Amino acid sequence: ETGVTQTPRHLVMGMTNKKSLKCEQHLGHNAMYWYKQSAKKPLELMFVYSLEERVENNSVPSRFSPECPNSSHLFLHLHTLQPEDSALYLCASSQTGAPRTEAFFGQGTRLTVV
Amino acid sequence: RKEVEQDPGPFNVPEGATVAFNCTYSNSASQSFFWYRQDCRKEPKLLMSVYSSGNEDGRFTAQLNRASQYISLLIRDSKLSDSATYLCVVNNTGGFKTIFGAGTRLFVKA
Repeated sequence: ETGVTQTPRHLVMGMTNKKSLKCEQHLGHNAMYWYKQSAKKPLELMFVYSLEERVENNSVPSRFSPECPNSSHLFLHLHTLQPEDSALYLCASSQTGAPRTEAFFGQGTRLTVV
Repeated sequence: RKEVEQDPGPFNVPEGATVAFNCTYSNSASQSFFWYRQDCRKEPKLLMSVYSSGNEDGRFTAQLNRASQYISLLIRDSKLSDSATYLCVVNNTGGFKTIFGAGTRLFVKA
């Protein structure tokens, strides 16, 4: 499955590091999403980019910063993270307004903050 | 009230059993509905869409009840490989806002 590709697959970073997660979709979709999934917790929507509009979950700390340079690429910039930010970060894409609007996920980046 | 609610389970069933999951949603204007499956430490994957008239895909049957605002998933003749977490998903406003339920864990045992 190469529809949505995330890199890196695994990342270990210190609390003072700066890193970025990358997501690329090859499905021609017009919306991309970042989700966080902590251990034994449900998926939490962090950010949505749809066409020109960005929607964010107001509970997401500012140490997470998304960037969407075009409809195929999405980044999540990380800085001064906390250990509780360790989780699986999932990128997804979908086509809004279409008859079928289901989201397709990348394989995720498993992040560990030490 | 959560926007999408599911019984977290776990459901422990023997092979060959029939098991059903329900999911309720709070937004009556929700437009499209899906069931996703998530295996341990993997990304969610679409299992099936849920149509107003109900739909079936092999051993899986999905139903939508708009009046009562719930969707259901029925799995017949359970297999060991059906063990996973099943996520109920609701789309509002043309798919722009996708809400995931917390998931229902299923364990199928020999």
